[in-house]
Amino acid sequence: DQQVKQNSPSLSVQEGRISILNCDYTNSMFDYFLWYKKYPAEGPTFLISISSIKDKNEDGRFTVFLNKSAKHLSLHIVPSQPGDSAVYFCAALFEGATNKLIFGTGTLLAVQP
Amino acid sequence: GAGVSQSPRYKVAKRGQDVALRCDPISGHVSLFWYQQALGQGPEFLTYFQNEAQLDKSGLPSDRFFAERPEGSVSTLKIQRTQQEDSAVYLCASSFSGSDYNEQFFGPGTRLTVL
Repeated sequence: DQQVKQNSPSLSVQEGRISILNCDYTNSMFDYFLWYKKYPAEGPTFLISISSIKDKNEDGRFTVFLNKSAKHLSLHIVPSQPGDSAVYFCAALFEGATNKLIFGTGTLLAVQP
Repeated sequence: GAGVSQSPRYKVAKRGQDVALRCDPISGHVSLFWYQQALGQGPEFLTYFQNEAQLDKSGLPSDRFFAERPEGSVSTLKIQRTQQEDSAVYLCASSFSGSDYNEQFFGPGTRLTVL
């Protein structure tokens, strides 16, 4: 059973506009949510995270919003740049003995110049 | 570079062969993770080490999969009698600490193709 879901396989956005990537989860006990970015033939790289006790975290052009009642989080990228084109994975974890990441299936973002 | 490295980057195996995938974590990192990423999917957890101790192997799909980290640094993921469904990218990640959450740094992965 998929605990973390990304229902949009792909998204295309014009350069300079906002990109919004969405993620839904089923387990309300997750402690952290994270976004990873992945270029082809490279490993995922950490982008931004949010604790389950927060509802917003911002880092430069990247903001993550968490709606616990809806079990939904989103990543906003403003303004979008061509270099942002990549696969974005949403992930969640329970803080504790393992801290293993539970990933969604990813969304391919294409930012058009 | 001081990142996580993995070797080989690509491996082609005939069905039934044994393979060994290597991970060199960032020096000093206590935690080491292995993930499996099938085509079109997100990475899925396989196993976790804290130093040399394998604390969680709940994600290993069968007893054909075995992982070790004997000296608490380099780790090897071994797959015996490979099957076509083992074809995937195998990702290794390391993080500094054990119990508290710390950022996981990923290697580039090993793409395994089983013919």
